Formats: sequence, C-alpha cells, structure tokens
Amino acid sequence: DVKVTQSSRYLVKRTGEKVFLECVQDMDHENMFWYRQDPGLGLRLIYFSYDVKMKEKGDIPEGYSVSREKKERFSLILESASTNQTSMYLCASSANYRVGGYTFGSGTRLTVV
Amino acid sequence: KQEVTQIPAALSVPEGENLVLNCSFTDSAIYNLQWFRQDPGKGLTSLLLIQSSQREQTSGRLNASLDKSSGRSTLYIAASQPGDSATYLCAVQDNTGKLIFGQGTTLQVKP
Repeated sequence: DVKVTQSSRYLVKRTGEKVFLECVQDMDHENMFWYRQDPGLGLRLIYFSYDVKMKEKGDIPEGYSVSREKKERFSLILESASTNQTSMYLCASSANYRVGGYTFGSGTRLTVV
Repeated sequence: KQEVTQIPAALSVPEGENLVLNCSFTDSAIYNLQWFRQDPGKGLTSLLLIQSSQREQTSGRLNASLDKSSGRSTLYIAASQPGDSATYLCAVQDNTGKLIFGQGTTLQVKP
C-alpha cells in the first residue's frame, strides 16, 4: 500500500515563526499536493508539484511556499506564521495525473498562537 | 468552474439500514471520481476510485456509481454499522489533474 507520511500530527507555533511541514511518500509518485481543511470551507489546494523542483500554485498560495528537492518529499513552508493559518494541513500524492487516485496522509493540525 | 455538491450534509440512521449518499458535479469533463472517508481529526482514506470510462466500483459493503453525462455519483452502503460513522467526501479530478471536493456528508449510524 502507498504510504504518505506527515511528520507531525500536532504542532503549536508562535506568530511570526517560520514553519516547515514535511510530507514523504514511498511509492515513487510523480504528483504531490498540499491542502488545508477548515470547517465550513472544506479542502482547499495550496500548492502542488508534478515533478522534482516543480511547483504550481493552487487556489490559496498566499503566505505559503513549497520545496520539492527529492521526488518522495514535498515540504510546505509558512514563511511567517499567522493565526489565520491555524488549520488542518493534508498532504497527498498520486501516480498518474490523469488516471491515478490520490492517497492522503494523516494530517497535521497546526495551531498558531 | 467545476463545483461539487453533496447531499445530504448530515445523515443519521439506525444500524443495519442500507443508505445512499449523493454527489453531483457541474462539469462532466472529469478524469475520475473518488470517494473518501474521514474520521474526526484524521486524514482522508480512499474508499473507491471510478475512472471516467467506468460506471461503478464495489468494495465489500460499498458500491459507487458514476453517471458522467448527468454529473452524478452515488455511494451505496449496505447494512450500515456504527463503525461506518464518519464524514464521506466525494471528489472529481478535473482536466488539470486537480481534485475538486464536495463539502461532505457526515454520517452517524446508531446502535
């Protein structure tokens, strides 16, 4: 089974801190995605990547950046954390961008105080 | 712009009932449709993936159908159990490869 592993289940950070959320997949998938999930707003795409060193903006990229130096790892970076970035962050990967289904990690609940 | 709607938003049934969750989408140009399950505070677990050329997929007590031309999918759960209580999310993969999600149906199965 494909595994998508997010390094932290819960994180508490202070306003203004630089925050790194890490995601690793073990099935050689080309495509990786970062979503955030908020009550009443559902899942919203932040950034995605179709290949190493590639990145594309999703629907809500402001305040975030990403890094994909290796195929299996996709990092989400909050340059200067703010309280409105308190959320559940979900990483996903897929093998084929048109046919393959998505596999999600278990999520990181980030609280910014 | 693709929009995905799930009805109902919440559902409560007694154990043992068969039930249907509905999903509709506005643009039929999709590559596939995927149903997920999410437990409170957890990530998404994939239940069923239906390619655009397929009509249905089955896994155990779950059956999902897809009618691309009418923009509809249903998830059928047979003989529901309390362990089925969760939020069920429908998502379509559009022609850019991105997943567009519905808001979900929160299911409670009472013993």
